[in-house]
Amino acid sequence: GAGVSQSPSNKVTEKGKDVELRCDPISGHTALYWYRQSLGQGLEFLIYFQGNSAPDKSGLPSDRFSAERTGGSVSTLTIQRTQQEDSAVYLCASSHNSGTGRSEQYFGPGTRLTVT
Amino acid sequence: GENVEQHPSTLSVQEGDSAVIKCTYSDSASNYFPWYKQELGKRPQLIIDIRSNVGEKKDQRIAVTLNKTAKHFSLHITETQPEDSAVYFCAALEGWGKLQFGAGTQVVVTP
Repeated sequence: GAGVSQSPSNKVTEKGKDVELRCDPISGHTALYWYRQSLGQGLEFLIYFQGNSAPDKSGLPSDRFSAERTGGSVSTLTIQRTQQEDSAVYLCASSHNSGTGRSEQYFGPGTRLTVT
Repeated sequence: GENVEQHPSTLSVQEGDSAVIKCTYSDSASNYFPWYKQELGKRPQLIIDIRSNVGEKKDQRIAVTLNKTAKHFSLHITETQPEDSAVYFCAALEGWGKLQFGAGTQVVVTP
């Protein structure tokens, strides 16, 4: 079946502008995650949604970052007043049901954000 | 929270030799440990995982071992091939679904 999809694949924006990144998880997956990967670095956890529970926002680096998940499916990550240090690849992942230990996370192709 | 350390950061091996990557974790409650492979410009792909109720798992040339007492787990790749060249990430599950990743190991397999 279809995997995790993300859009856009690339985004170039000017410093100070807002951006929205979209993630479509695998159908039926109840958990959705956002990570950030800077060039040559590891994966930095940002936020995690599980069903209708309150999201775990503990990884968001500042209040300029926010995310929503509408209808338990599609998620949007919003970065306000972008800064050059926000430049990175933003990866989304989904999993079937992390609450029962079935935690295999499947990643999307990522959105490469460049802030000029 | 969970803290995962991964070593080495880079690993060069001759084709046909074995590669071993080691990770340690801090949270004794963690019970799920996946390994991801990321080729240049591609998304991370799950290659193998292990749960805390077993000590070893194998899948063809790849194996993972887990020592819960010492809180470390390792990835073993045997008979390495050029297509094994990639960055490998270990991770440990924190709480219900949050994965904490290691910093990654760049593996280079030379023919």
